Amino acid sequence: SQQGEEDPQALSIQEGENATMNCSYKTSINNLQWYRQNSGRGLVHLILIRSNEREKHSGRLRVTLDTSKKSSSLLITASRAADTASYFCATLPPGGGFKTIFGAGTRLFVKA
Amino acid sequence: DAMVIQNPRYQVTQFGKPVTLSCSQTLNHNVMYWYQQKSSQAPKLLFHYYDKDFNNEADTPDNFQSRRPNTSFCFLDIRSPGLGDAAMYLCATSVSGATTDTQYFGPGTRLTVL
Repeated sequence: SQQGEEDPQALSIQEGENATMNCSYKTSINNLQWYRQNSGRGLVHLILIRSNEREKHSGRLRVTLDTSKKSSSLLITASRAADTASYFCATLPPGGGFKTIFGAGTRLFVKA
Repeated sequence: DAMVIQNPRYQVTQFGKPVTLSCSQTLNHNVMYWYQQKSSQAPKLLFHYYDKDFNNEADTPDNFQSRRPNTSFCFLDIRSPGLGDAAMYLCATSVSGATTDTQYFGPGTRLTVL
């Protein structure tokens, strides 16, 4: 079964607006990661947040983690057309291992 | 620049005709992964290598095999492709597979089965 579920499935906004994507997961985690995928390309790592962190920033990205609700959000501020992509949250099962579970992804479209 | 390279970027094969996809890395990472990603879906792990140790996911069909002749190269063999195997195949690497590891992805190979 899929560990991460994301909403919305698709999001269309104007350039300059903020975009918020949410991810929920089912089991306990050590950390949660966000990846971006441009159309027809591989995934690119954006940010990692550990289970003992509540918020993390990287440039225009802000990630929050609520382990009590088993959810995370990714906020992209002042969006640009180049941010158009799919965004996936990813988790690993407790104790490590190699099976990263990706959420279904949010497809973001930023209109210029 | 250190990177993950996949060849070919686009592959067309016929139903039942074996096909091999290749992946190479210049990162010298221990772990290499193969994912299958169908349209508008999340990547799904097929298998991974930790160094020379091969680990198959329980739900990966027998039709899919992999080889890692050395640290740099890893191959995905599809013995008898079916129409349902049409997908993007993503290769990724990581240093050790630790939970804090970042995975580095190649650009993918899009497989079409006629």
